[in-house]
Amino acid sequence: NAGVTQTPKFQVLKTGQSMTLQCAQDMNHEYMSWYRQDPGMGLRLIHYSVGAGITDQGEVPNGYNVSRSTTEDFPLRLLSAAPSQTSVYFCASSLAGTGRFSPLHFGNGTRLTVT
Amino acid sequence: EDQVTQSPEALRLQEGESSSLNCSYTVSGLRGLFWYRQDPGKGPEFLFTLYSAGEEKEKERLKATLTKKESFLHITAPKPEDSATYLCAVQALTGANSKLTFGKGITLSVRP
Repeated sequence: NAGVTQTPKFQVLKTGQSMTLQCAQDMNHEYMSWYRQDPGMGLRLIHYSVGAGITDQGEVPNGYNVSRSTTEDFPLRLLSAAPSQTSVYFCASSLAGTGRFSPLHFGNGTRLTVT
Repeated sequence: EDQVTQSPEALRLQEGESSSLNCSYTVSGLRGLFWYRQDPGKGPEFLFTLYSAGEEKEKERLKATLTKKESFLHITAPKPEDSATYLCAVQALTGANSKLTFGKGITLSVRP
């Protein structure tokens, strides 16, 4: 099983550029999410989705958009990149998040640098 | 506001030298506490879930325990391959069902 696949692994953007980080999972998980990881800080939730067609904001949503048209895919869009968005981005998925929370399965991340 | 504090920030052990990693938390009712392992350049990998005080889980050289205020990850006779960053996260009973609050992690280095 591939699990959670993120592309690209590395990306360099200039301030003001836009791009989409791709995330796909093959485990038929209903719940998918995006986190960013910065030095000296814990993982912070950007956006999440509990199923196709349903998305919601996390802790740090500004500057990012998401959509969920299929169960498998959950892309993260940076609308106008800023240096503050330099980070490592992780996509994670789990079984439906009702009742006890199922463990998250993480991808291997996208390292984004904004100059 | 939910908070998770992990200590120490970094820990260096000699192979075979047992120790414990601490995760202190403040949450408005605990739904679950999670431990993850993260290797450099990789995403976190799930280790354990603990739900109630007194619960313990074991896997190879790792044992996780939970009280009402903190969790410990005990490492018995560690090996160099146990070197990694260990993350703790909590989920509250109230609020968004999906929200996990992560600690900053503890970087463990085990010397041969």
